[in-house]
Amino acid sequence: ILNVEQSPQSLHVQEGDSTNFTCSFPSSNFYALHWYRWETAKSPEALFVMTLNGDEKKKGRISATLNTKEGYSYLYIKGSQPEDSATYLCAFHDSSASKIIFGSGTRLSIRP
Amino acid sequence: GAGVSQSPSNKVTEKGKDVELRCDPISGHTALYWYRQRLGQGLEFLIYFQGNSAPDKSGLPSDRFSAERTGESVSTLTIQRTQQEDSAVYLCASSSGLLTGELFFGEGSRLTVL
Repeated sequence: ILNVEQSPQSLHVQEGDSTNFTCSFPSSNFYALHWYRWETAKSPEALFVMTLNGDEKKKGRISATLNTKEGYSYLYIKGSQPEDSATYLCAFHDSSASKIIFGSGTRLSIRP
Repeated sequence: GAGVSQSPSNKVTEKGKDVELRCDPISGHTALYWYRQRLGQGLEFLIYFQGNSAPDKSGLPSDRFSAERTGESVSTLTIQRTQQEDSAVYLCASSSGLLTGELFFGEGSRLTVL
């Protein structure tokens, strides 16, 4: 059974503060690690797809790092804004099965 | 089409009835996934199609659930003899099937079983 865990489950951050959260996944059979943002009443949208150990991706104020040997990825948001409020999902793509398994997400709320 | 299309967007049915949910993926996308989200829970993998290969059905919760996809076109998820615990949002996603291919999600079908 593939276990993808995200922490914390929820997070409340003051506008302007920076924050980060964690995704842990199996360190074997790694193929890719995905991050998605899921806003209320919308569909999940991809932020990053990461494939190489040591990968770092950046999109505006959001960045992510990847450690495939120890099985974790961090997502960072710099200078949080109200529009960053969403659930952030990570997903592990297993090379042996090819299915993509999601963690339960981190729900981020930004206080104005 | 421009994006992944799902129908119906909302379905209310009585316990014991069969329902069929449809997903129209992005043209050219070889990979198609079905997930569901029950209230208060995360995205649960159901089934994965890749081109003409045999689908990975390992996430289907019971034999009341089945899905079909012909080639790289439309997929249908069928739930027979629905139960109240089947109530959920059913999400379909497609991707190019490449290593770095991200998932593109539809807007989901919300199923309520009374």
